[in-house]
Amino acid sequence: DGGITQSPKYLFRKEGQNVTLSCEQNLNHDAMYWYRQDPGQGLRLIYYSQIVNDFQKGDIAEGYSVSREKKESFPLTVTSAQKNPTAFYLCASRPRGDSNQPQHFGDGTRLSIL
Amino acid sequence: AQSVAQPEDQVNVAEGNPLTVKCTYSVSGNPYLFWYVQYPNRGLQFLLKYITGDNLVKGSYGFEAEFNKSQTSFHLKKPSALVSDSALYFCAVRDVGSARQLTFGSGTQLTVLP
Repeated sequence: DGGITQSPKYLFRKEGQNVTLSCEQNLNHDAMYWYRQDPGQGLRLIYYSQIVNDFQKGDIAEGYSVSREKKESFPLTVTSAQKNPTAFYLCASRPRGDSNQPQHFGDGTRLSIL
Repeated sequence: AQSVAQPEDQVNVAEGNPLTVKCTYSVSGNPYLFWYVQYPNRGLQFLLKYITGDNLVKGSYGFEAEFNKSQTSFHLKKPSALVSDSALYFCAVRDVGSARQLTFGSGTQLTVLP
């Protein structure tokens, strides 16, 4: 079955540490997205990529970095510059082209501070 | 600019009764509108979308939504609620022709009481 796989499901970060969240899709989608979800705030866009080797900042990119070396993969690094990283992180993908197509989501990674 | 509002953080309804989850939006041009559902510790699942055409849109699991351009609303409805419908519901909007990505509402927690 096609889908989006996020790993790990739970992740703990120490002070001053960078951590990387994995997102892999086998849907052959061109566009991929990273969102942060906090209680009562909905989803906020961190970064997105519409094609391999290209990505753009979303609304809350500070303290995060991404890469898009392969179509299937869009890892997110939460750097030590992100002072409040505790949240639920969701990866999504969508076929490129007409933006009326819905996004498909992974099951998320919950990041906490040790 | 584009924005979306879900005025109710929580909606409670008895099983078998009709349910409505409210959503209003603001865009400069024409909207693409989406509803998603999220179960605990899972990603979002697509329910339905409005692109153009009929104002009443039918989606998954018996849900439907009514697009009202004059009231800039896109309320989610179901004629008879099930306990299994209890979940977090998100409305999302994109301004057609805009470079902006999808904007999500803050979510409405639906609880269906047996």
